[in-house]
Amino acid sequence: KAGVTQTPRYLIKTRGQQVTLSCSPISGHRSVSWYQQTPGQGLQFLFEYFSETQRNKGNFPGRFSGRQFSNSRSEMNVSTLELGDSALYLCASSPDRANYGYTFGSGTRLTVV
Amino acid sequence: GESVGLHLPTLSVQEGDNSIINCAYSNSASDYFIWYKQESGKGPQFIIDIRSNMDKRQGQRVTVLLNKTVKHLSLQIAATQPGDSAVYFCAEERGFYFGSGTKLNVKP
Repeated sequence: KAGVTQTPRYLIKTRGQQVTLSCSPISGHRSVSWYQQTPGQGLQFLFEYFSETQRNKGNFPGRFSGRQFSNSRSEMNVSTLELGDSALYLCASSPDRANYGYTFGSGTRLTVV
Repeated sequence: GESVGLHLPTLSVQEGDNSIINCAYSNSASDYFIWYKQESGKGPQFIIDIRSNMDKRQGQRVTVLLNKTVKHLSLQIAATQPGDSAVYFCAEERGFYFGSGTKLNVKP
């Protein structure tokens, strides 16, 4: 059974650019969540999608957005990149968030220069 | 606001000893908690979970204790091995809140 797949694994972008990260959940999982992980802040919840709808949202600026497709694959976008956006972005999937743990991907390491 | 946090950032133990990692939470309405292990270069991996109607749950070499009175969780790892070296996080049910993690160093 394939795990959660995130692409790309590594990315270097320039300040002011935008970036799109992709996540393919485990087959059959309908909930996809995104997290930002930095050394100083730990894991911070960005948003969760369930059946193509954003169901929950963390405390991040509007530059961070996401979407989910009918096959449950999800993308997140960060516009107008700032140096502070450099982080590991993790995606996690679950059959349904409320009652199950989440399976994480290995993440996309974004570096903004 | 609500938070789930860890008491100690780093824990060093000798191989073969037992490890205890602690976690405090603030939302008394949370009824499901999960512990994750994150190894270098990987995403967090589910270890064990516990629901609020339980005080204790055991897995293979791991035990989670829940004290709802003081809103405290602990993860106990028996006979700690070098492969247990990682960062450990606790999370409340909906995964909105994670602590910054405790780094477990196992000395051979």
